[in-house]
Amino acid sequence: DGGITQSPKYLFRKEGQNVTLSCEQNLNHDAMYWYRQDPGQGLRLIYYSQIVNDFQKGDIAEGYSVSREKKESFPLTVTSAQKNPTAFYLCASSMLFYGYTFGSGTRLTVV
Amino acid sequence: DAKTTQPTSMDCAEGRAANLPCNHSTISGNEYVYWYRQIHSQGPQYIIHGLKNNETNEMASLIITEDRKSSTLILPHATLRDTAVYYCIVRAEGGTASKLTFGTGTRLQVTL
Repeated sequence: DGGITQSPKYLFRKEGQNVTLSCEQNLNHDAMYWYRQDPGQGLRLIYYSQIVNDFQKGDIAEGYSVSREKKESFPLTVTSAQKNPTAFYLCASSMLFYGYTFGSGTRLTVV
Repeated sequence: DAKTTQPTSMDCAEGRAANLPCNHSTISGNEYVYWYRQIHSQGPQYIIHGLKNNETNEMASLIITEDRKSSTLILPHATLRDTAVYYCIVRAEGGTASKLTFGTGTRLQVTL
C-alpha cells in the first residue's frame, strides 16, 4: 500500500544532542513538508521541499535542518540550537496542486 | 494565502448533522478551500476541497457561499469517531507556493 512513514513514533533526546526524524513516502509525490505541533496548537511549517535537492524554510526553521537527496525521503534534524524541541512532528507529502497525505507523526521529548 | 476564522469548539449529538463554519473573507479568486481533520495524536486527514461550487464525497459536503467569503463543512450523520479538530485552509493553486497554513481549527465533540 502506498503511504508515508515516519519513524520513530516516540523519541527521547538529551539536551544538547542532535536527533534526526525519518520520513519516507512511496506515493511518488514531488513535494514534502515538515510541521511542528505543540499541545493545543495548530501546525506550524518548519521546512518544505518541492523537488529533489531543493528545499525552503517555513515559518519556524531556526534550529532545524533538512535534506532531500531522494524523492522518497525528507529527513528532519533537530539540532541543539532548537531551544524548545519537545513537540509532535508531522511529515506530509503531496503532488503539486493536490491535497496532502500526512504521516502518523513522531513525538519528541527532551529529557 | 488568505486567513481563515473558525469557532474554537462545537458539540454535536451522534446521528445529527455537524455543520462547521469557516470565514475566509480575504480569499482570492484562485484560492481553494480545503478541509482536514486531526484525530488526537494522529496526522491530519484530508476531507474535501472546493473552489466555488458545492462539493460532496463519501466523507462530507462542502458548501461555499456565492461570494466565497465563507464555507461550511457538513458531516451528515456524525458518529463518535468524527470527534476531532477540523481545519479550514485556503490555498492558491498553481505557481511555486503549495504549502498549507494551519490555524487552530474547530474542536468537534460528538456526544451520545
